[in-house]
This record gives sequence, C-alpha cells and structure tokens, in this order.
Amino acid sequence: EVQLVESGGDLVKPGGSLRLSCVVSGFTFNNAWMSWVRQAPGKGLEWVGRIKRRSDGGTTDYAAPVKGRFTISRDDSKNTVYLQMNSLKTEDTALYYCTTGIGTIDFWGQGTLVTVSS
Amino acid sequence: EIVLTQSPGTLSLSPGERATLSCRASQSVSNFAWFQQKPGQAPRLVIYSASSRATGIPDRFSGSGSGTDFTLTISRLEPEDFAVYYCQHYDNPPWTFGQGTKVKI
Repeated sequence: EVQLVESGGDLVKPGGSLRLSCVVSGFTFNNAWMSWVRQAPGKGLEWVGRIKRRSDGGTTDYAAPVKGRFTISRDDSKNTVYLQMNSLKTEDTALYYCTTGIGTIDFWGQGTLVTVSS
Repeated sequence: EIVLTQSPGTLSLSPGERATLSCRASQSVSNFAWFQQKPGQAPRLVIYSASSRATGIPDRFSGSGSGTDFTLTISRLEPEDFAVYYCQHYDNPPWTFGQGTKVKI
C-alpha cells in the first residue's frame, strides 16, 4: 500500500521559515517524481512544485508565487522529500499535500497545516 | 502559466441525474486530469489523459475533450459523487488546477 506521511506543519510568523517532510512507503521512492500541492482554507488546489528522480537529473520546478522562497529536496536513503519554506507570507497559510504519480498525481498524503500569522 | 476555468461553479442536482462539468484552458494542453475532493479528505484522481478512468473509478464517470475544452460527465449521480471536482493540466510546469466545481444536492 502506498503511503505518504507529511509532517512539520506549524504556526509561524510572517518572514519566518519552516521545513516540511514527507516520508513515503509502498513504492520505489528513488524512481518517483514528487510534488507538493497546497490548499488554503476553504479554497482550491494550488501546485507548489516538484522534484524529478535522480536518474532524470533531480531537477526542480516551482510555481511563481513560491519561486525563490521555497526549495524542494529529497533524500532517497530515507524515502523522504522535503519542502523548505523561507520568507513566509500570510498567503502561504494552507494545508500542504505531498503527492506523487506517473504523469499526474495518483497518490496524496493527508496533508500538514502551515499557518503564517503574527 | 496556463489558466484553467471551470464552469459552472456550483451544480445542484439530484441522485440519478446526469452531471456535466466543463473546463477551458487558456491555451492548448496535452495532459489533462480531473480530481474529486470530499470534505476533510485529500483529492482523488478520477480521470487522466483526458479520458482514462483512474483505478477504482466506476464507469459512470467519463472524460472527454482535447486542446482547450474538456468535459467530465457523471452519467447517473450516486450519493457518494457529491463533492468538489477540479481539473488540472500536467504539461510542462507550472501545473495548474481549475478553481473547482461543487456538485451538490
């Protein structure tokens, strides 16, 4: 069974930083492209960014609102993908989902809540 | 960035009725999907490649369209189908989602 378990969500002040983690099981992690998707309270889905598998260069892509502030990385030895979030803004408040799939998104975690507020 | 516009915003129907949801892209896309989301749950893939049903999705769900216009049809609504549906493209990044269509009783 595929499982994605996010952690690290918290209440943080504007301008602060936070690192989210996602531990995966049930599939070959080092073959997977991983993405983060967020959902602000009561709002729709927003793709945050992705990281390719190492054999495809391990490169990253980001949505415009987070580019330059967020960084996705992976540790294949720990079956874990990370989302480092810096210079956080109130509009980054959301439930952050770790996701993966072939092509689009086949699997989602349950999400971890990030609240940015003073 | 490709903008996806869904219509209608809300669809009020009864069990057994047919639901037709639309999504229009601001430019042509090749890789297109639909997701279902129920309250308090993560989204679930319903359709990929515009018309292929994901694993475990009943055949009352069908997807069609190409280029800039796509449709999700639920032939006969079951009580468990009442949810919010999002369209998505997964061409070159950034991937984007539509704003959602709520299917309600």
